[in-house]
Amino acid sequence: AQSVTQLGSHVSVSEGALVLLRCNYSSSVPPYLFWYVQYPNQGLQLLLKYTTGATLVKGINGFEAEFKKSETSFHLTKPSAHMSDAAEYFCAVSDGSARQLTFGSGTQLTVLP
Amino acid sequence: DTEVTQTPKHLVMGMTNKKSLKCEQHMGHRAMYWYKQKAKKPPELMFVYSYEKLSINESVPSRFSPECPNSSLLNLHLHALQPEDSALYLCASSQDQLGARETQYFGPGTRLLVL
Repeated sequence: AQSVTQLGSHVSVSEGALVLLRCNYSSSVPPYLFWYVQYPNQGLQLLLKYTTGATLVKGINGFEAEFKKSETSFHLTKPSAHMSDAAEYFCAVSDGSARQLTFGSGTQLTVLP
Repeated sequence: DTEVTQTPKHLVMGMTNKKSLKCEQHMGHRAMYWYKQKAKKPPELMFVYSYEKLSINESVPSRFSPECPNSSLLNLHLHALQPEDSALYLCASSQDQLGARETQYFGPGTRLLVL
């Protein structure tokens, strides 16, 4: 069975500060990992994904995430927060044999001026 | 073009009404999904269609009835809903469902209110 834990349901950062959103996963086989962002009253947009290969994945809007197998983590980072980054962020996992994604509970990011 | 469109954007219906949600994609994707999302919660999978056949039904009540008329179109027929069914209904599509490793592209959703 696969599962995802997102630490911190709410994260606040100042504009220009580092953004770090935490995601830990559980999977019996090598996982596929995804980060999605959801702006208010909108659908989910893919930020980045890890399937195989390079463990540091770069996504849209300056976000990146690093797959760390030893820590079963896939944390999302951005060097400098922008006001437009305020949104809900979801980490998701698929172990490849599963026929669906398993989403984390989400992290609401607030960016303070 | 990675767009999934959904209509209507908003829907208000009574418990005795029949209504339908529509989802469309023109990316040639062969898997399409319906999700239900309550406020401040992650999306919950309802149905998956793969190659126009129902592949997954996550024990959804029969008052929700999906339909996939062709590879580009997905409908969700609603009948005799309850107020607790009020939520954002998201449609998504992916190239294939195989292994769920494919990226799912989401539509903007239909916000449903059941009175």
